Amino acid sequence: KQEVTQIPAALSVPEGENLVLNCSFTDSAIYNLQWFRQDPGKGLTSLLLIQSSQREQTSGRLNASLDKSSGRSTLYIAASQPGDSATYLCANLNQAGTALIFGKGTTLSVSS
Amino acid sequence: GAGVSQTPSNKVTEKGKYVELRCDPISGHTALYWYRQSLGQGPEFLIYFQGTGAADDSGLPNDRFFAVRPEGSVSTLKIQRTERGDSAVYLCASSLNTGELFFGEGSRLTVL
Repeated sequence: KQEVTQIPAALSVPEGENLVLNCSFTDSAIYNLQWFRQDPGKGLTSLLLIQSSQREQTSGRLNASLDKSSGRSTLYIAASQPGDSATYLCANLNQAGTALIFGKGTTLSVSS
Repeated sequence: GAGVSQTPSNKVTEKGKYVELRCDPISGHTALYWYRQSLGQGPEFLIYFQGTGAADDSGLPNDRFFAVRPEGSVSTLKIQRTERGDSAVYLCASSLNTGELFFGEGSRLTVL
């Protein structure tokens, strides 16, 4: 059964820092991998999707990479801003292609 | 519509009552998912529809939970004989052919 672990569980940084969020999978059979952002009391906003044939995706200050051999993905946030404060969740599509399996998330706080 | 719409946004009910939660997916999206999220946890998969049929309902916790999507668009999650442990945020997502998932804002269910 696929399990997803996100490290760290919480992170506090001053504005302007570059940071890395980590995600690892027990099953290295990784298919579509998606990173989401969730603000308190809100739904999930899709940030980046890495399909199984890809190794990374970039959107603005965000870069997500995928290493299938080690079963890991990282989300890199450049020049962090207070507006980046949120919980970041990674999820991997299961083998049947029927569901995303989520980690518990990393809660990021960026202070001004 | 422009995004995934869920109603009601909040529902408070008494233990033992019946509850229906509605999801209106993005127009044209054939895949629809229901998830449940408890505080401090990542979303937990409940059920996946491809068109009108439930292609994977392995995440439904017990037979008190049921979901339908009769015309391949709007879906309703039905919970019978609610229990306090059913309290959570119920999230709906849709996608084109199990690609990138787009989530609604969720329905917060509180069972007293």
